Amino acid sequence: NFMLTQPHSVSESPGKAVTISCTRSSGNIASNYVHWYQQRPGSAPTTVIHEDNQRPSGVPDRFSGSIDSSSNSASLTISGLKTEDEADYYCQTYDDSSHVFGTGTEVTVL
Amino acid sequence: EVQLVESGGGLVQPGRSLRLSCATSGFTFGAYAMSWVRQAPGKGLEWVGLIRSNTYGGTTEYAASVKDRFTISRDDSRSVAYLQVNSLKIEDTAVYYCTREPLRSGGYDYWGQGTLVTVSS
Repeated sequence: NFMLTQPHSVSESPGKAVTISCTRSSGNIASNYVHWYQQRPGSAPTTVIHEDNQRPSGVPDRFSGSIDSSSNSASLTISGLKTEDEADYYCQTYDDSSHVFGTGTEVTVL
Repeated sequence: EVQLVESGGGLVQPGRSLRLSCATSGFTFGAYAMSWVRQAPGKGLEWVGLIRSNTYGGTTEYAASVKDRFTISRDDSRSVAYLQVNSLKIEDTAVYYCTREPLRSGGYDYWGQGTLVTVSS
């Protein structure tokens, strides 16, 4: 099976932007949808991006997703950072018979 | 309003069994695949397995770490998904989340609040 590798942590000041990468170890990142989840401390995860770049209703347009086949990776960008964005973020994709989560990234708003 | 509510967690000894339930409301349960995801204390998310809708055969898939010990089932008449966990190990200690998977998306749009399973002697 394949792995999804994310940076352990990223930090930035309020109002700035951060980008979290999610690199697939084998297989084509573009061959299956990538999804992104936010998990605030002590809470269940919620979906912030589904199907590569789609925002669920209620998720602000500060959140965006993209796919880069050249680096075999997906990215989540959070612009205009707010303190409420402090959380762990996980990417996730799948193949024919299994789902795989990324290693997770802790976002700190300084 | 879509709701997923897990129950059935608790403290259990190694080698014993539990059945977790995911009661749902607010949507046509039978039209969706359902997945279970777990999170060990202080660790990341781990996919446990899924059950497809009966339209797609109601078939199941499992992570290698739980295959042959865990079983997912569904009761469309009650809008409930189940996770039967057998031969529990210390390393199965985790919060278990139930999730809804939109058709063909391979991801989850709604999550339950989770139920904690603690395996300890």
